[in-house]
Amino acid sequence: AQTVTQSQPEMSVQEAETVTLSCTYDTSESDYYLFWYKQPPSRQMILVIRQEAYKQQNATENRFSVNFQKAAKSFSLKISDSQLGDAAMYFCAYRSAPGSARQLTFGSGTQLTVLP
Amino acid sequence: EAGVAQSPRYKIIEKRQSVAFWCNPISGHATLYWYQQILGQGPKLLIQFQNNGVVDDSQLPKDRFSAERLKGVDSTLKIQPAKLEDSAVYLCASSLVENTEAFFGQGTRLTVV
Repeated sequence: AQTVTQSQPEMSVQEAETVTLSCTYDTSESDYYLFWYKQPPSRQMILVIRQEAYKQQNATENRFSVNFQKAAKSFSLKISDSQLGDAAMYFCAYRSAPGSARQLTFGSGTQLTVLP
Repeated sequence: EAGVAQSPRYKIIEKRQSVAFWCNPISGHATLYWYQQILGQGPKLLIQFQNNGVVDDSQLPKDRFSAERLKGVDSTLKIQPAKLEDSAVYLCASSLVENTEAFFGQGTRLTVV
């Protein structure tokens, strides 16, 4: 079974600064997907960014980018120009490739605080 | 496009009572997930459906939890009897078969007293 580890329970960043959230995972599969989800107090899980394991290029979505290191099984999220609205719980998640059971497994989360 | 709908948003029950949650996935999404999220933790998969068949229910406490997805659309998750440790947010999510992204509902916050 795959496992996802987020070693930073809490992080804080000054508004307009950059912050990096860490995630590592364990898998024996070669093809899979990785995600970062954001969960504000409203509880709605919102997809922030995704990465296909077969792609070497790191995914980017506006102010959000990832550093995907497949050999190290590391998948960190960088938030640039942090905004107050970025404050939330962030979850790293792993999903098996098509053809498998395609479970979506989550880490324990990192609570991000943005300081004005 | 309508999102994943869940009801109720909140529920408070006494231990040993029963409770049911309802989920309506996004139209056309064949895969449906139920997750349990205890406060301060990440979501834990309870059960995964593909259409109306169960793909994975290995972490579902089957002595008290049950779930069904009749006609491969709506789904209900039931707890009977509830325990104090069942207090959590229950999240429903859905995805297309060949898509990678799961879309989540707003969840049901259950408090067992």
